[in-house]
Amino acid sequence: NAGVTQTPKFRVLKTGQSMTLLCAQDMNHEYMYWYRQDPGMGLRLIHYSVGEGTTAKGEVPDGYNVSRLKKQNFLLGLESAAPSQTSVYFCASRGQGMNTEAFFGQGTRLTVV
Amino acid sequence: AQSVAQPEDQVNVAEGNPLTVKCTYSVSGNPYLFWYVQYPNRGLQFLLKYITGDNLVKGSYGFEAEFNKSQTSFHLKKPSALVSDSALYFCAVRDGGGGADGLTFGKGTHLIIQP
Repeated sequence: NAGVTQTPKFRVLKTGQSMTLLCAQDMNHEYMYWYRQDPGMGLRLIHYSVGEGTTAKGEVPDGYNVSRLKKQNFLLGLESAAPSQTSVYFCASRGQGMNTEAFFGQGTRLTVV
Repeated sequence: AQSVAQPEDQVNVAEGNPLTVKCTYSVSGNPYLFWYVQYPNRGLQFLLKYITGDNLVKGSYGFEAEFNKSQTSFHLKKPSALVSDSALYFCAVRDGGGGADGLTFGKGTHLIIQP
């Protein structure tokens, strides 16, 4: 029962470097999300996808791009990392229906120096 | 736009006492409400969700939540706290009235259960 798996778990980047965070789910869920968690601010939605080949902006999309080429995978890209992107990133997925709960990955702790 | 407020950054409760973690929400349509728990260095775990028509919802680990439509609240409760309940708790809402998909989270409440 893997559920939602995030890769990598930790990463340190230098300002200006790029990287991609991978999220994989094995529950055949249509909906997938990327959130960032910062102290005292809860979780904020970066981008989301309502199905394979679709993406949409969330609350804090600037500086990030996403792709959903396969239903089970949702990639989050940082083209030019900035210290303000130091955060813990969580991926989540859910099935159909407005009252379905989201399942979360274990998180990726990213530090930009 | 949807929003969630958790007015307490921290709640301290003695072991064995009842606990309440407060949550109020604002949505334009029907509210879809959830509680999650986060232990240190872990992802979020689902606790319970509001089901239309049930004002008292029961969830995992003995937790329950009381939905109050007139007060737009969805407070988390437990009759007898355990030290192992100490964690960070998030209330979240999805707006049935449309707009961007995804859950909107409160800032979280640290629950500390003292032995």
